[in-house]
Amino acid sequence: DIQMTQSPSSLSASVGDRITITCRASHVLRNNLAWYQQKPGKAPKCLISAASRLQDGVPSRFSGGGSGTEFTLTISNLQSEDVADYYCLQHHSFPYAFGPGTKVDI
Amino acid sequence: QVQLAESGGGVVQPGKSRTLSCAASGFNFKSFGMTWVRQAPGKGLEWLAYIWYDGSNKFYSNSVKGRFTVSRDNSEQTMSLHLDSLTGDDTAIYFCVRAPYGKAFDYWGQGTLVVVSS
Repeated sequence: DIQMTQSPSSLSASVGDRITITCRASHVLRNNLAWYQQKPGKAPKCLISAASRLQDGVPSRFSGGGSGTEFTLTISNLQSEDVADYYCLQHHSFPYAFGPGTKVDI
Repeated sequence: QVQLAESGGGVVQPGKSRTLSCAASGFNFKSFGMTWVRQAPGKGLEWLAYIWYDGSNKFYSNSVKGRFTVSRDNSEQTMSLHLDSLTGDDTAIYFCVRAPYGKAFDYWGQGTLVVVSS
């Protein structure tokens, strides 16, 4: 089974900062990696698919990168509405798995 | 627009069973794989089960394999998750999610809460 790790587990930054969250997989994923944002009391929302494809309607300050076993989610120009939990998901092979999450605060 | 609506949550006694349902609308349901994800209170997301567009293949996480069963009825545009031998660790919000095969999960329901308690 593919194991997923995320770092950091939490971070606090200022409005306007650039932050990066890293997701690592125990096996090569090619680009079968997605990023999700979840705000309190809400269902998760897909931000990035195929490692780097920005979903429709997602602000361009979000970007995804990486390949193989290491992937990143970068938020440039952090905004107050970006306070949320962020998760990566490997959908390369079953059983699928989410990373443990990163809590982003302002 | 794509809509997914879960139902069937509630309080269940330990050791008992429960069946959750997901009603889909706004897309060609029979053409899409579907999946269940849960989230225990204050915890992260956990993938549970996947069912192919035609129901011919099903996959489960190790944590629920043998206890949970996913199924679908394409004529009714519904998906179900049967939960068996429930314990307190199964207390969670259960999300129904559209999951095109080989692609990211795209649309999520709002979830249904299952509380396992005596």
